[in-house]
Amino acid sequence: DIQLTQSPSFLSASVGDRVTITCRASQGISSYLAWYQQKPGKAPKLLIYAASTLQSGVPSRFSGSGSGTEFTLTISSLQPEDFATYYCQQPGTFGQGTKLEIK
Amino acid sequence: QVQLQQWGAGLLKPSETLSLTCAVYGGSFSGYYWSWIRQPPGKGLEWIGEINHSGSTNYNPSLKSRVTISVDTSKNQFSLKLSSVTAADTAVYYCARVRTGTTPRYYYYGMDVWGQGTTVTVSS
Repeated sequence: DIQLTQSPSFLSASVGDRVTITCRASQGISSYLAWYQQKPGKAPKLLIYAASTLQSGVPSRFSGSGSGTEFTLTISSLQPEDFATYYCQQPGTFGQGTKLEIK
Repeated sequence: QVQLQQWGAGLLKPSETLSLTCAVYGGSFSGYYWSWIRQPPGKGLEWIGEINHSGSTNYNPSLKSRVTISVDTSKNQFSLKLSSVTAADTAVYYCARVRTGTTPRYYYYGMDVWGQGTTVTVSS
């Protein structure tokens, strides 16, 4: 089975900061990777699919890159509503999550 | 606008069978896979399995022996059954639409529409 490992697991940052979350796959998954944002008590929300394609309606400060085994999610300038938990996912597997907290 | 509405029993005893249903409103049922995902309290997301309109399924190997996902195309609904539940199956269960296919070649575009979630508690 393919494992996804996110780093860091916890991230403390301030409004306006640029942050990057990394997701590493245990074997190559081409560009079959999605990123989600989840806020407490809510269903996850799709942000990025095919590693780098922005889902409709998602702000352009979110971007994704990578292929094969290493992927990144970048938020260019954190907004208050971005503090949440982020998950990467390939068909059948989620990463363990990265909780983004306010510094 | 596509919406997913899910329902099912929220309190089970150990050894019982969990049963949830998800209805799809406002969009096509064919051309997608339909998935179940769960999230134990305070933990991350776990993919359970998926089905398409033709009834083709894929399951998480760790749950495969206890999981059955079925589809009722006449009602645009799909269902999850998880047998022999234990406290470890306590979680919020979500249904979701999966954009994936093989035409013209394999693609995977993620889960773009989600149900509201159902809290399932297993307790004696």
